[in-house]
Amino acid sequence: GESVGLHLPTLSVQEGDNSIINCAYSNSASDYFIWYKQESGKGPQFIIDIRSNMDKRQGQRVTVLLNKTVKHLSLQIAATQPGDSAVYFCAENISSNDYKLSFGAGTTVTVRA
Amino acid sequence: NAGVTQTPKFQVLKTGQSMTLQCAQDMNHNSMYWYRQDPGMGLRLIYYSASEGTTDKGEVPNGYNVSRLNKREFSLRLESAAPSQTSVYFCASSESAGYGYTFGSGTRLTVV
Repeated sequence: GESVGLHLPTLSVQEGDNSIINCAYSNSASDYFIWYKQESGKGPQFIIDIRSNMDKRQGQRVTVLLNKTVKHLSLQIAATQPGDSAVYFCAENISSNDYKLSFGAGTTVTVRA
Repeated sequence: NAGVTQTPKFQVLKTGQSMTLQCAQDMNHNSMYWYRQDPGMGLRLIYYSASEGTTDKGEVPNGYNVSRLNKREFSLRLESAAPSQTSVYFCASSESAGYGYTFGSGTRLTVV
């Protein structure tokens, strides 16, 4: 797998390796977090979400980890495939009663064959 | 399963022209949103509508107006387009606060 520091704008991954995409969020009061995937020319697509009362949540080939102590969120993609090439955004919601999501700048993931 | 439909997909305007971006969702969602996406800046909220009949400003509302026509439709209007409004605009909807958004495919707007 490949690990990166806190939010790099690009990540190049060998096909079949695991990917880790990092995100630092801004507000310690945020209680809901989402990861989105955006392919070229398309709108963002929901991948997985997590609430602040959890520190880990798993989906199909993806895992989100939340470290509230350092306000850090990560998305792990297992066995990265060419179709995983996209821009990945993290988003935070300051309150479950607040409708507004705040998005990060995104990380462009390129999968090498 | 159309989800969120935006029209048009592409548009070129001259400075000072007006236009309305249309958005419709067929998921019976209560909340709808307009975002703009600029290179290196992620998505920024322009306006949102928590429920039918209500609208509120987001992070970057200047130069825009919105109308929540009914539960399905939420339009974004540029009264006098400026080059700074060149961007990709995304409409999204959600069942309620705290749920993941469903995004449309975007409108690429160029103001010359």
